[in-house]
Amino acid sequence: DTEVTQTPKHLVMGMTNKKSLKCEQHMGHRAMYWYKQKAKKPPELMFVYSYEKLSINESVPSRFSPECPNSSLLNLHLHALQPEDSALYLCASSQSAGTSGPGDTGELFFGEGSRLTVL
Amino acid sequence: AQSVSQHNHHVILSEAASLELGCNYSYGGTVNLFWYVQYPGQHLQLLLKYFSGDPLVKGIKGFEAEFIKSKFSFNLRKPSVQWSDTAEYFCAVKSPAGPRKLSFGAGTTVTVRA
Repeated sequence: DTEVTQTPKHLVMGMTNKKSLKCEQHMGHRAMYWYKQKAKKPPELMFVYSYEKLSINESVPSRFSPECPNSSLLNLHLHALQPEDSALYLCASSQSAGTSGPGDTGELFFGEGSRLTVL
Repeated sequence: AQSVSQHNHHVILSEAASLELGCNYSYGGTVNLFWYVQYPGQHLQLLLKYFSGDPLVKGIKGFEAEFIKSKFSFNLRKPSVQWSDTAEYFCAVKSPAGPRKLSFGAGTTVTVRA
């Protein structure tokens, strides 16, 4: 079982709705990530948070708004999405987001994902 | 910038056959290398990783990979596949310095026929 927990597992929303995806980890990791994955495609990086601060935004449209309330939680707020935004949204965490330190394997741990359908 | 190439888009083989999936990366510096697997309807799982030391890395479920620095390659192998190895396999590369951007290859779909 993954140690990164994502909720909800499935979400269906209309283009005018506002919803949020949630991610939680209790491994003491200081870096958290949002990825988007379309069917049969590799995950695409959206955002990276390091020590609760946004460090990378891969030119993601503003209808996706990330939030990191604390070191264990990562949210993705969704508003006015388009049908083409339907995808699997993956959260991941790693020990840190910068240079590898002693004992830092650099490995990303992924959650099971939230499958989003926009009607 | 770093990029990852996986040569095989879809591999179909029979149980007990040997599997080798190619992965090449383009990045001049030191890299960390990973193979992830995604079984149908499931999340990404780490199969194995290379950071330093012995270039032949053993992972879970009988998989291994060899890092060949001169060829910028990190090919995945399994001597004898099972039906349960049917999955999507992703090679990924990350620079240990700077922002932790994990770059994925396009993925290889492996179908094992019983």
